[in-house]
Amino acid sequence: DTAVSQTPKYLVTQMGNDKSIKCEQNLGHDTMYWYKQDSKKFLKIMFSYNNKELIINETVPNRFSPKSPDKAHLNLHINSLELGDSAVYFCASSQVRPNEKLFFGSGTQLSVL
Amino acid sequence: TQLLEQSPQFLSIQEGENLTVYCNSSSVFSSLQWYRQEPGEGPVLLVTVVTGGEVKKLKRLTFQFGDARKDSSLHITAAQPGDTGLYLCAGVRGGSNYKLTFGKGTLLTVNP
Repeated sequence: DTAVSQTPKYLVTQMGNDKSIKCEQNLGHDTMYWYKQDSKKFLKIMFSYNNKELIINETVPNRFSPKSPDKAHLNLHINSLELGDSAVYFCASSQVRPNEKLFFGSGTQLSVL
Repeated sequence: TQLLEQSPQFLSIQEGENLTVYCNSSSVFSSLQWYRQEPGEGPVLLVTVVTGGEVKKLKRLTFQFGDARKDSSLHITAAQPGDTGLYLCAGVRGGSNYKLTFGKGTLLTVNP
């Protein structure tokens, strides 16, 4: 069974559309994250939730809205997509804190045309 | 300003060679992690170092945490094509729990 699974794997859409990426972890972890990896492979944290509560919210446009219905799920909704949103988005989870092992999903490659 | 500087950015070597990748910062970290990322996949944790001067070995990979906990290195002995990937260091600064900061990575290619 996949530990951290995110869907879809690929997402191609037009500018201005709204899209969602789903993430689920079956590890029983308390903390989940969204990271963005740009074309230069730089991985930057966007959000972090601990037990459904937002604990990290980096400088991300408010077009990006995370939602955690329960501690096993952290979805990412993006409104009014822009060309610059094109990137690979990774969901991750950890037991309690990032001092411990971070488990990543396999990524969602978002292409905004 | 990049908190964690990795060097080199790109490295292409022949199978059997040795290599060292560096991760440097002017900040002190409570711990440093090394990840390897293969194409189309998410990063996978290789090791965590938490004590200044700590050395950890994982088969042909040797990881070292600097005495001052500001830098780390990854040494690979007798590299193999299977070692090809993006190597990322990531650190947690004291007092910034939950926030793991990544370096920009070293893209290693090991040619057969």
